[in-house]
Amino acid sequence: GENVEQHPSTLSVQEGDSAVIKCTYSDSASNYFPWYKQELGKRPQLIIDIRSNVGEKKDQRIAVTLNKTAKHFSLHITETQPEDSAVYFCAASIRSNTGKLIFGQGTTLQVKP
Amino acid sequence: GAGVSQSPSNKVTEKGKDVELRCDPISGHTALYWYRQSLGQGLEFLIYFQGNSAPDKSGLPSDRFSAERTGGSVSTLTIQRTQQEDSAVYLCASSLVYGALNTEAFFGQGTRLTVV
Repeated sequence: GENVEQHPSTLSVQEGDSAVIKCTYSDSASNYFPWYKQELGKRPQLIIDIRSNVGEKKDQRIAVTLNKTAKHFSLHITETQPEDSAVYFCAASIRSNTGKLIFGQGTTLQVKP
Repeated sequence: GAGVSQSPSNKVTEKGKDVELRCDPISGHTALYWYRQSLGQGLEFLIYFQGNSAPDKSGLPSDRFSAERTGGSVSTLTIQRTQQEDSAVYLCASSLVYGALNTEAFFGQGTRLTVV
């Protein structure tokens, strides 16, 4: 079935440390993998995305890696800051359904000062 | 408007009543999604529109839930005979989908539904 699994569900790090969140997907035809950040009481907002023709993408302290063979992708946040504390969601497009976007269960990241 | 707009922002309704939730997507966006987010939980897929058609309704929890989209723009999610377990934040998102290519999905602020 169509599924995106995300781990861990919660993650606590010290300020300045790195954080890694991992997701696996089931549809081998998926070709678009966005990551969203949701702060408390706010709407989810895109922080970075990657397409299946790329293995890695970086944007300042944030990077995403994709392993198509293993069907998993990861979010890496370096030099974490307290303002990085939020819930992070990964997602994958479901090509068999022409663009449907399925989200993982979310990771609550806490960055301790 | 510049973003995805949802109305109402908050809705309190009595159990058994029907409710309608509205989503105004970004102008020109072909794809429109509805998700449900219960307190502290993830984004549960409900339904997806491409234009006015809904290729996938598999996420609708029961036949009390229905949705439509008219003119390739505004969408309405209707919940009939509401139950307490329907209480959640209902989020709408829209994006451009070019054939096999997805682009960024922009979310609305959500409608917080409380069934009492």
